[in-house]
Amino acid sequence: DAMVIQNPRYQVTQFGKPVTLSCSQTLNHNVMYWYQQKSSQAPKLLFHYYDKDFNNEADTPDNFQSRRPNTSFCFLDIRSPGLGDAAMYLCATSRDLRSSHYEQYFGPGTRLTVT
Amino acid sequence: KNEVEQSPQNLTAQEGEFITINCSYSVGISALHWLQQHPGGGIVSLFMLSSGKKKHGRLIATINIQEKHSSLHITASHPRDSAVYICAVRSPTNYGGATNKLIFGTGTLLAVQP
Repeated sequence: DAMVIQNPRYQVTQFGKPVTLSCSQTLNHNVMYWYQQKSSQAPKLLFHYYDKDFNNEADTPDNFQSRRPNTSFCFLDIRSPGLGDAAMYLCATSRDLRSSHYEQYFGPGTRLTVT
Repeated sequence: KNEVEQSPQNLTAQEGEFITINCSYSVGISALHWLQQHPGGGIVSLFMLSSGKKKHGRLIATINIQEKHSSLHITASHPRDSAVYICAVRSPTNYGGATNKLIFGTGTLLAVQP
């Protein structure tokens, strides 16, 4: 049973052409996270939503935006992808942000290629 | 220096061998995760622990809070265990009390040969 779903699994976009990655969850979790993972590196948190509250990490480039229209869906928008934005983008969810009882659940990721 | 260090970075084993992957961290934590990522794939959570030891099938995870150290053991390893194993910690001190944000290690690439 899929719990955190990411579409598409593979995305190819052209340099400078806006692209949107999608994440949905069936867990009814309050928190949704977007991570960027480049080859052989640890995942890097870009931002998260706690319900409708958006929280950007300090070093996330302005080129990256996010939308959460409802509890189930969260989108990652890359306004003008550069070659350096090619990476695996991981979506994760957790029930809460400030309790250590709750795990993060990860989606399968979307691998973005920029040509 | 990374706040979460893993060793070894790369590990090759023969099928059936007992495998240990180590994780050391330098921050106060509320919990530690062991995660698995197959090449080109998403992340699967194996364990979340804050004390003692957990076992799931052939996998065992231990943590020593005083020493700020955790180990992941794989018994009777199999080629399907080949993956990157990632240690990640939750550190409320790094995130203003937000205990569910993770700090990741750089992973251990495990290859189990038949």
